[in-house]
Amino acid sequence: QLQLQESGPGLVKPSETLSLTCTVSGGSISSSGYAWDWIRQPPGKGLEWIGSLSSSGNTYYNPSLKSRVTMSVDTSKKQFSLKLRSVTAADTAVYYCVRRIWNEDYLDYWGQGTLVTVSS
Amino acid sequence: QSVLTQPPSVSAAPGQKVTISCSGSTSNIGNKYVSWYQQVPGTAPKLLIYDNNRRPSGIPDRFSGSKSGTSATLGITGLQTGDEADYYCGTWDTNLNGVVFGGGTKLTVL
Repeated sequence: QLQLQESGPGLVKPSETLSLTCTVSGGSISSSGYAWDWIRQPPGKGLEWIGSLSSSGNTYYNPSLKSRVTMSVDTSKKQFSLKLRSVTAADTAVYYCVRRIWNEDYLDYWGQGTLVTVSS
Repeated sequence: QSVLTQPPSVSAAPGQKVTISCSGSTSNIGNKYVSWYQQVPGTAPKLLIYDNNRRPSGIPDRFSGSKSGTSATLGITGLQTGDEADYYCGTWDTNLNGVVFGGGTKLTVL
């Protein structure tokens, strides 16, 4: 059974960089046919897609966040990461790492989510 | 403002049926598969329907999905109190080149 687990600081100061890592267990992170996505959910609000890493190494970012986001993968550690620069209070959210099925675009495995609060 | 449009809330009595709509455009629902997610408050979303109308293993057949043109619908029959949750539709948008979601629909089982 595939499992994803987010890790990283729960509190980030305004203007700093939010950094999160997702560790994948119970399956391969480098198999073709999958993408590895980050999705966030501000408190009391809906889901927002942040971006995606394909198994071929391509990245796709939400246009509204593209200038501040970088995603990367470390296949040896079975981890993929998110960096969001110049954060503000509007970036306070639960951040989920998720596996997406390529071409069919559904999200089949989700991490439990981690709350990141942006505050001084 | 979400790319996909869902009603904010729906409600029905236990045992009844409810449908949740999801409206989009030709750049998303019209030409892509739709998926549906159930989110119980305080937990991560769970895949409910994929490829418009397919259920993952373990999802009861009380849950169904359909798509017509640029709209999709989630149906739930034999409502149970445990079905109370937020429901989201999702798909890929070829203009944005990314995943898009509806704003979510809160289901109340009266």
